[in-house]
Amino acid sequence: QVQLVQSGADVKTPGASVTVSCRASGHPFTTFPIHWVRQAPGQGLEWMGWINTGNGHTKASQNFQGRVTITWDTSASTAYMEMSSLRSRDTALYYCATKAMGPNSPFDVWGQGIVVTVSS
Amino acid sequence: QSALTQPPSASGSPGQSVTISCTGASSDVGAYDSVSWYQQHPGKAPKLMLFEVSKRPSGVPDRFSGSKSGNTASLTVSGLQVEDEAEYYCSSYAGSDNWVFGGGTKVTVL
Repeated sequence: QVQLVQSGADVKTPGASVTVSCRASGHPFTTFPIHWVRQAPGQGLEWMGWINTGNGHTKASQNFQGRVTITWDTSASTAYMEMSSLRSRDTALYYCATKAMGPNSPFDVWGQGIVVTVSS
Repeated sequence: QSALTQPPSASGSPGQSVTISCTGASSDVGAYDSVSWYQQHPGKAPKLMLFEVSKRPSGVPDRFSGSKSGNTASLTVSGLQVEDEAEYYCSSYAGSDNWVFGGGTKVTVL
């Protein structure tokens, strides 16, 4: 059974960077995508980007204008999402999610979510 | 990248049906049969309810159904039950390795 366990909850000041991690276990495939989705307080889900754990290919939403970097550590089976130049509106619950490869497969396994607070 | 458009709220009495729309564009909803729907209860992670427009994962009641016409997808919950009260989000592949979510619809069981 696939499980995603997140860590990295933090409080940051504006302009700082934060890294959130997502450890994957039980995936039946050696290559799978890890996506990042965030949810601001009282708001909807926002897709942030993803990484192909097999070849390291990443894609981040243009909405984040180069502020998001997603990496994968094969030895630790862990994905990382780093966001830089934090602003107060980046305060949100950050989820990782996985799915089968391909555009039509859904986000069927989610991490528990990690809160990142940006405040001066 | 614009979010898919969902009505902010929908409601129905127990046993009734409610339908939620999810409107995108010819570059996302209209281009791919990749629409999926997620249910989110307060304080919980989203749960997959439908994928590839109308397919149900194991364990999801057949009261949940989906369809798509053009750039608009829909989720229908038939025979509303109290536990169906939640926020619902649609999602679609948007091409070029991008995905997009809808803004969410709060379903209230009256």
